Amino acid sequence: AQSVSQHNHHVILSEAASLELGCNYSYGGTVNLFWYVQYPGQHLQLLLKYFSGDPLVKGIKGFEAEFIKSKFSFNLRKPSVQWSDTAEYFCAVNARSKAAGNKLTFGGGTRVLVKP
Amino acid sequence: EADIYQTPRYLVIGTGKKITLECSQTMGHDKMYWYQQDPGMELHLIHYSYGVNSTEKGDLSSESTVSRIRTEHFPLTLESARPSHTSQYLCASSVGLGLAETQYFGPGTRLLVL
Repeated sequence: AQSVSQHNHHVILSEAASLELGCNYSYGGTVNLFWYVQYPGQHLQLLLKYFSGDPLVKGIKGFEAEFIKSKFSFNLRKPSVQWSDTAEYFCAVNARSKAAGNKLTFGGGTRVLVKP
Repeated sequence: EADIYQTPRYLVIGTGKKITLECSQTMGHDKMYWYQQDPGMELHLIHYSYGVNSTEKGDLSSESTVSRIRTEHFPLTLESARPSHTSQYLCASSVGLGLAETQYFGPGTRLLVL
């Protein structure tokens, strides 16, 4: 079965610092990849997604993610964070296989706290 | 994005009560999902539906049941709530076919069973 690992459970950084959140998945076939964000008290929102083409994907609010197939990774980045980026971030993978069930599998989430 | 509504947003209830968590979407999406999310943990799929009269159990075993009588409505029911059911329940619906599918989430229902 596919699995998704997010390396950091908690990240604390100051405003203007750069952010990189790691995401690795276990499935060897073709995948679609997502990052969702959950701001405090709000629902899960789609930040960005990768289906095909350019492995560097740009999302909302200045976020981007790079798909590196050889490393089974889809790391999320933002060059300069703001206090409003404080949230929990979830990586998710949808695998193209009947065996995998074509379901969305989520990582454990990374809580990001940006200090003003 | 899809408009997905969940009610109630918060529910505190005693053990043994029957509860129904409502989920509705206005975009005509065929596929809908229920996830359970404990604090600080990942989302676990507990039910999904690919259309009217279609329901399937997800990866995480759950004592809840679902129904899909109308496209826009996907309620989740617990016949007899227990403290172990305390969690956040997230409903989602999706657009796109196959792997072009993208799921959009509702605001969730936080359930506390005393």
